[in-house]
Amino acid sequence: QQKVQQSPESLTVSEGAMASLNCTFSDRSSDNFRWYRQHSGKGLEVLVSIFSDGEKEEGSFTAHLNRASLHVFLHIREPQPSDSALYLCAVSAGANTGKLTFGHGTILRVHP
Amino acid sequence: DPKIIQKPKYLVAVTGSEKILICEQYLGHNAMYWYRQSAKKPLEFMFSYSYQKLMDNQTASSRFQPQSSKKNHLDLQITALKPDDSATYFCASSQEGFSNERLFFGHGTKLSVL
Repeated sequence: QQKVQQSPESLTVSEGAMASLNCTFSDRSSDNFRWYRQHSGKGLEVLVSIFSDGEKEEGSFTAHLNRASLHVFLHIREPQPSDSALYLCAVSAGANTGKLTFGHGTILRVHP
Repeated sequence: DPKIIQKPKYLVAVTGSEKILICEQYLGHNAMYWYRQSAKKPLEFMFSYSYQKLMDNQTASSRFQPQSSKKNHLDLQITALKPDDSATYFCASSQEGFSNERLFFGHGTKLSVL
């Protein structure tokens, strides 16, 4: 059964400093990786999806996938206080790409 | 405008009662899902429907029953409610058949069972 773990549990950065979040997964057949953001009490906002090794950029968010090491990273360039939220990594495998396994998330705080 | 509408936003119920959580999507998607987010667990997949047919069920309890009356509707009926059912329930949708399809989520219904 797929296990998705995220680190760190929480991260505090200063405004403008790069933020890097880590996600590891257990199923080597995984082929669909997404990062979501959830502001407190709100729904989920998709940030970036990646399906092959390498990098994928969407605005200030860059996902980096290395399937051999079972890692997918999220880098946030020049984060703002409004980027403070819970960041969730989600992984799926095979044809049923709507069945995602989520990590517990990383709480990001961006200080002005 | 939100494209996935969940109603109500907040719901309080007593133990043993029955509630229905409403979900409608206006994205033209052919697949819909329910997920649950409770305080101690990560967001968990519950059900997936494609063209109004159940595709996957990861919910052990039969107390949870999805209902799809229309292509863009997937409601969730919960019977014999328990305090452990307290969670935020998210509806989601996608257009299956595309290799890079994305899963879009509603804002959730927060259920509190007393």
